[in-house]
Amino acid sequence: EAQVTQNPRYLITVTGKKLTVTCSQNMNHEYMSWYRQDPGLGLRQIYYSMNVEVTDKGDVPEGYKVSRKEKRNFPLILESPSPNQTSLYFCASTHSRDSSEQFFGPGTRLTVL
Amino acid sequence: DQQVKQNSPSLSVQEGRISILNCDYTNSMFDYFLWYKKYPAEGPTFLISISSIKDKNEDGRFTVFLNKSAKHLSLHIVPSQPGDSAVYFCAAGQAAGNKLTFGGGTRVLVKP
Repeated sequence: EAQVTQNPRYLITVTGKKLTVTCSQNMNHEYMSWYRQDPGLGLRQIYYSMNVEVTDKGDVPEGYKVSRKEKRNFPLILESPSPNQTSLYFCASTHSRDSSEQFFGPGTRLTVL
Repeated sequence: DQQVKQNSPSLSVQEGRISILNCDYTNSMFDYFLWYKKYPAEGPTFLISISSIKDKNEDGRFTVFLNKSAKHLSLHIVPSQPGDSAVYFCAAGQAAGNKLTFGGGTRVLVKP
């Protein structure tokens, strides 16, 4: 089954404790991205990757890091989480540079205390 | 400054009637528009899209209308069904790229 998976689905942590949210897709997509969803603000792009070893900032990159060492994986790293990073996070992928129809993972709800 | 806005945070409609969701954008570079549907505890799923060379695209019960001069698009769901109850996001981008800018979402409740 073609899908985007994220882990963990739910996470409660404390300020300053490094964490990683994993994202994996099995569709051989080149393009992957991370979004956060906050009430009234919709989904805002954090980082994106056009292909392996190619990453760039989205609209709200502060406090986040990403890496793209393999085509299928695109982890999101919070080196020192803060309460304003409490949010619902989505990973997405798409099959070509010219396609805007993105496939989303199920989401990770993160709470930073 | 939000480039894509959905001014109605919620909408309630009777089963069988029409649901109309609206979306406004400010960036004239956008030339590709999409609607996504999101159920609780799931990721958004693609619903329907429209290119700026068209003013209407239809897929079953779902029709998207684009008014480029007004920088406005709308999604019509006819007839509405209880299973359509979800949050709907409007998104805009450029056909030659992958970046999407999303609106804030509209929560639709279809009453039986």
